[in-house]
Amino acid sequence: QKEVEQDPGPLSVPEGAIVSLNCTYSNSAFQYFMWYRQYSRKGPELLMYTYSSGNKEDGRFTAQVDKSSKYISLFIRDSQPSDSATYLCAIMEYGNKLVFGAGTILRVKS
Amino acid sequence: GAGVSQSPSNKVTEKGKDVELRCDPISGHTALYWYRQSLGQGLEFLIYFQGNSAPDKSGLPSDRFSAERTGGSVSTLTIQRTQQEDSAVYLCASSLTSTWGEQYFGPGTRLTVT
Repeated sequence: QKEVEQDPGPLSVPEGAIVSLNCTYSNSAFQYFMWYRQYSRKGPELLMYTYSSGNKEDGRFTAQVDKSSKYISLFIRDSQPSDSATYLCAIMEYGNKLVFGAGTILRVKS
Repeated sequence: GAGVSQSPSNKVTEKGKDVELRCDPISGHTALYWYRQSLGQGLEFLIYFQGNSAPDKSGLPSDRFSAERTGGSVSTLTIQRTQQEDSAVYLCASSLTSTWGEQYFGPGTRLTVT
């Protein structure tokens, strides 16, 4: 079993839809949780990070962590075609080492 | 300011040849990371440097892989006797320190072994 599991999709939604992206993890010692966005042929860029259970909002994006069930989510409201990308969840281990999920390909259709 | 840069952007090599991939981190970033991204495998950690030392080489897949960092800046990832399964995108990232800090990624080097 991988340390971080993520459904690779692809996930296709119409413009304006609410998108829900999810990951599960196995190591309860993980403390920091991130979401990265990666456009085609580019490196990943950090979208959001959180270190506690609960929700964190940033504009149209909300990151949610449930440590009791080892489940993390990213919600995108009012999705736009420019949101089409691969979304990677990542968990931080020691030494700032990141363990990534496989990434979910998102396509927002106009 | 300038971000993380990597060269070459694309590399096609024959099986059995050696390749060198270069990473220029953001100026002032003391920590540098190498990851590999394969189709269907996601991003996997290879090695990280704090300054010029590599406290964690646990992700290197075999002894054909090595990396060095000189002057606390540029890093080179070397793959000897390349195999077809080495084909992937090799990504470099840097952060201010290795204890915490956002990792900024370069665009990657796409390696194809024929």
